[in-house]
Parts: sequence; structure tokens; C-alpha cells
Amino acid sequence: GAGVSQSPSNKVTEKGKDVELRCDPISGHVSLFWYQQALGQGPEFLTYFQNEAQLEKSRLLSDRFSAERPKGSFSTLEIQRTEQGDSAMYLCASGEHTYEQYFGPGTRLTVT
Amino acid sequence: GQNIDQPTEMTATEGAIVQINCTYQTSGFNGLFWYQQHAGEAPTFLSYNVLDGLEEKGRFSSFLSRSKGYSYLLLKELQMKDSASYLCAVNTNAGKSTFGDGTTLTVKP
Repeated sequence: GAGVSQSPSNKVTEKGKDVELRCDPISGHVSLFWYQQALGQGPEFLTYFQNEAQLEKSRLLSDRFSAERPKGSFSTLEIQRTEQGDSAMYLCASGEHTYEQYFGPGTRLTVT
Repeated sequence: GQNIDQPTEMTATEGAIVQINCTYQTSGFNGLFWYQQHAGEAPTFLSYNVLDGLEEKGRFSSFLSRSKGYSYLLLKELQMKDSASYLCAVNTNAGKSTFGDGTTLTVKP
């Protein structure tokens, strides 16, 4: 069946601009996760949704980062006033339970 | 804070066995994951341990000792395609998982 999809696959933006990333989880998956992965490091947790409820979020999401999952299906991650330090791979994962996570291909964000 | 340690790099020979260790100190524990990640690609789920002991799945096995804060991933009959980064992650609280920085495994002929 169809896996997790993310769009765009690559995004280049200028410093100070806003960007929106999208994740479409596997159909029927209740849990949805967003991670930020810098080159050479492991993914860093950003936020977790159970259906449309945002149950966990890192302190990173209290500032310029925000995420939504309005109907409990797809999710969007918005980054406002992007900075060069935001350049990273943004990964989305979904699962039927919190203890399983199937990752999408990621969005490579480059802030110039 | 959360701390997950794994070796940065390992090298092994095709056909051999390799063990990748992971130690963790976290506030909360709901299970430990292992993922494989090829360069430029997303992580792929390998295993999940919540109870102590060894879980075997084909050429890959994963072990957990909660009292020691320790896990390992065992890869048998290594193949060239096993060259990748292997990520240890601890599920610490509901949906939150903390990842290590990964172990880059190079398999040589």
C-alpha cells in the first residue's frame, strides 16, 4: 500500500521567508510525528499528533515553528521567518500506535 | 536530560557478524527502536524492544536490558547493502522518541 508521503521533496527559500511543509500519513494511522534531522545527526523530535490532537511538542515548536493536523489526516509544519540554522531534513512518520513509526522520504529544506 | 550513546562508526567484512551497542539514560522509558538509514533516505524501522531479552528477525536481532540502560543490534551474514547508518531511539513519553546520532556501518568485501 501507499506509504507516508511528504511534499515538497526539496525546498530552497530565502532567509526571513515563511515555508510550509506537508505530510500525508498512511491511511488510518492515528499517530503522526515530525522530526528535524541535521546532517550527520539523528532525528530530533518536534511534535506528535494523535488524530487531530497535538499531544507532545518540543520547545522548538514554541517559537517560529508550528504544526497542525486539522482533520486527523494530513499534517502541515510551518516555519516562519526562516533562518539558515533551519536548513535540515524534515521527516514525518506515522503509525497505528505510538510505538511504531513509518517514515516518509522527508523534505530537504535549504535556507539561503 | 536525555542521553543516548552509540559508536560513531564501525567497519565489518561481508559475511561476518557485527554488534552495534547503544546505551541510554532517559527520563521515562516506553521502549527502544532500531532504525536503518541509508544516506539521503528516511529511516526504516528494524525493531522495537519493550521487554528485556533478545528479539530475532531474520538476519537482524535486537537485545534490551532495561536495568542496564543497554541495547544492541546484531547483524549476521553481512551484505554490502547493509552499509548504512543505524539509529537507536528511546520512546520516552507517549509519542516522543529521542534518537542517538547513529552508527555508520561500512561493510567491506
